[in-house]
Amino acid sequence: QTVVTQEPSLTVSPGGTVTLTCASSTGAVTSAYYPNWFQQKPGQAPRALIYSTTNKHSWTPARFSGSLLGGKAALTLSGVQPEDEAEYYCLLYYGGARVFGGGTKLTVL
Amino acid sequence: QAQLVQSGSELKKPGASVKVSCKASGYTFTSYAVNWVRQAPGQGLEWMGWINTNTGNPTYAQGFTGRFVFSLDTSVSTAYLQISSLKPEDTAVYYCARYGDMTPDYWGQGTLVTVSS
Repeated sequence: QTVVTQEPSLTVSPGGTVTLTCASSTGAVTSAYYPNWFQQKPGQAPRALIYSTTNKHSWTPARFSGSLLGGKAALTLSGVQPEDEAEYYCLLYYGGARVFGGGTKLTVL
Repeated sequence: QAQLVQSGSELKKPGASVKVSCKASGYTFTSYAVNWVRQAPGQGLEWMGWINTNTGNPTYAQGFTGRFVFSLDTSVSTAYLQISSLKPEDTAVYYCARYGDMTPDYWGQGTLVTVSS
């Protein structure tokens, strides 16, 4: 069974920069996995942030960016705001199936 | 602007069935697939599968075969998730999401299904 792994938790100071990663048990993540990133705040539905590795939705703040880093998908937040405190999930494509990562709880402190 | 509106919370007894609806508006329903995602209390997101809104063909993820059925009524731009023989471990929030260009972009607000005797 395919497992997608994210950091369970990260802490960042307001105004700082943080990178979240997303690894696949099948090997290096490439653009062929069409990595997606989502933000979820308590009691809310997930909100799409990044698709196909680097692409932003029209509502995605400029401080969010996606990339590939060391065989993983990555989400970088630059100039973190207090409202960025949330759970972040990645989603990878496996030829028809999709698998979510376990999520990263981002604390802004 | 695309919008997906889901049906309200449900409380069911073990062994019963439930049908969750997901009504789309603001776009051509048959131009995008619909994904279904489960989130158990305090847990992460699980991709359940998707349904092709042109053909009605469903695809189910591992662990979501047998008791889970995706269906459509294109005349009212609505997708459905039916779960039969409910178990307490089916207690979760179920989300639908529009899927196009390799991304679930617009999401429903979620439907809480509680299974308890």
